[in-house]
Amino acid sequence: DAKTTQPNSMESNEEEPVHLPCNHSTISGTDYIHWYRQLPSQGPEYVIHGLTSNVNNRMASLAIAEDRKSSTLILHRATLRDAAVYYCILRDPISGNTPLVFGKGTRLSVIA
Amino acid sequence: EPEVTQTPSHQVTQMGQEVILHCVPISNHLYFYWYRQILGQKVEFLVSFYNNEISEKSEIFDDQFSVERPDGSNFTLKIRSTKLEDSAMYFCASSEDHGSSYNEQFFGPGTRLTVL
Repeated sequence: DAKTTQPNSMESNEEEPVHLPCNHSTISGTDYIHWYRQLPSQGPEYVIHGLTSNVNNRMASLAIAEDRKSSTLILHRATLRDAAVYYCILRDPISGNTPLVFGKGTRLSVIA
Repeated sequence: EPEVTQTPSHQVTQMGQEVILHCVPISNHLYFYWYRQILGQKVEFLVSFYNNEISEKSEIFDDQFSVERPDGSNFTLKIRSTKLEDSAMYFCASSEDHGSSYNEQFFGPGTRLTVL
């Protein structure tokens, strides 16, 4: 899997939007961009994924740069429950069941 | 909503002892995984399992480790002779086999293994 770079930590106020960046300058043309998060004392959980177009689901939005070398996970209104480590992971669709390769991720703190 | 379950939530053992960690994946899933996370460090892949055999394993998964699917529901990780450095949170995960562009992995809550 290609490498991703994320800030170590970010902070947000409750009920404000949060933009979590991820750089993946060596992404291949077929890699999907996946986001997982790990709440305190829990296992990772899937958040969202995309290829080229921006994506929305009930948890978040994913904005993908036109050149696909970076992406941004957007939480529209951060809650205390969104405090977690967020991981940006690239996945090759040909091997869709390969293991996830976790980096250090971004630790998001949400302030009430 | 279906979920992956793991037991026990916390296991304490003496160095050199054998431990078995238990997981019940989501019932219609076909791929199973074990990951571990040493305190304060990254989540690391150990092994994946499909069609009753190991499909991939990492360098961490040496001869001290084994996995088994003894029946239609359980998926176990055995560590034959535990070392102090095996102390970690162990996560089980499972995914469907869409044969498509992605397969979301569903993680269990983890088993905290403490080796004394």
